[in-house]
Amino acid sequence: NAGVTQTPKFQVLKTGQSMTLQCAQDMNHNSMYWYRQDPGMGLRLIYYSASEGTTDKGEVPNGYNVSRLNKREFSLRLESAAPSQTSVYFCASRPTGPGEKLFFGSGTQLSVL
Amino acid sequence: TQLLEQSPQFLSIQEGENLTVYCNSSSVFSSLQWYRQEPGEGPVLLVTVVTGGEVKKLKRLTFQFGDARKDSSLHITAAQPGDTGLYLCAGGSNYKLTFGKGTLLTVNP
Repeated sequence: NAGVTQTPKFQVLKTGQSMTLQCAQDMNHNSMYWYRQDPGMGLRLIYYSASEGTTDKGEVPNGYNVSRLNKREFSLRLESAAPSQTSVYFCASRPTGPGEKLFFGSGTQLSVL
Repeated sequence: TQLLEQSPQFLSIQEGENLTVYCNSSSVFSSLQWYRQEPGEGPVLLVTVVTGGEVKKLKRLTFQFGDARKDSSLHITAAQPGDTGLYLCAGGSNYKLTFGKGTLLTVNP
């Protein structure tokens, strides 16, 4: 059972470089999410996609873009990486409905030098 | 944005002790969830509480949802080293879940 798969697991970038974090889920979930986790800050929502074809900003969207490529895949792009974007990034998916749980990937540790 | 405040932020105890961690908000939530996260992994759901005043038990873990649905607590009885991890509460709408900053629990043998 793959669940939510994120790639890469680790990445080091120089300031100004761009990259795309990939996420795919095989549970036929409608909603997908990107969170970042920093020490002492918990999980903060960057962007989410309630269903295929829609995306919305979360708490901390600046400096990021997303694409819901199809129902399975939701990518996060950093166009010009900054040191403040050094973080652990988690993708998650969720069935539609109140109280439904999030299924998380294992995270991408990103360092921007 | 609905804010969730968790306390304490850090907790270090000895095996066998009891502990309670709290999740508080000024907003009303239709449901609250508790997740546990281990190093290098994503959070995993422990429980969802939906009804005000609800109490749910999961082995040695007891979860309570406040009557007004603004707060929740997690009580662990006779903590074990395997309980070590980051405990996160989360609440929100159908699509957007907001997380608290978490309680980092260390249970020493």
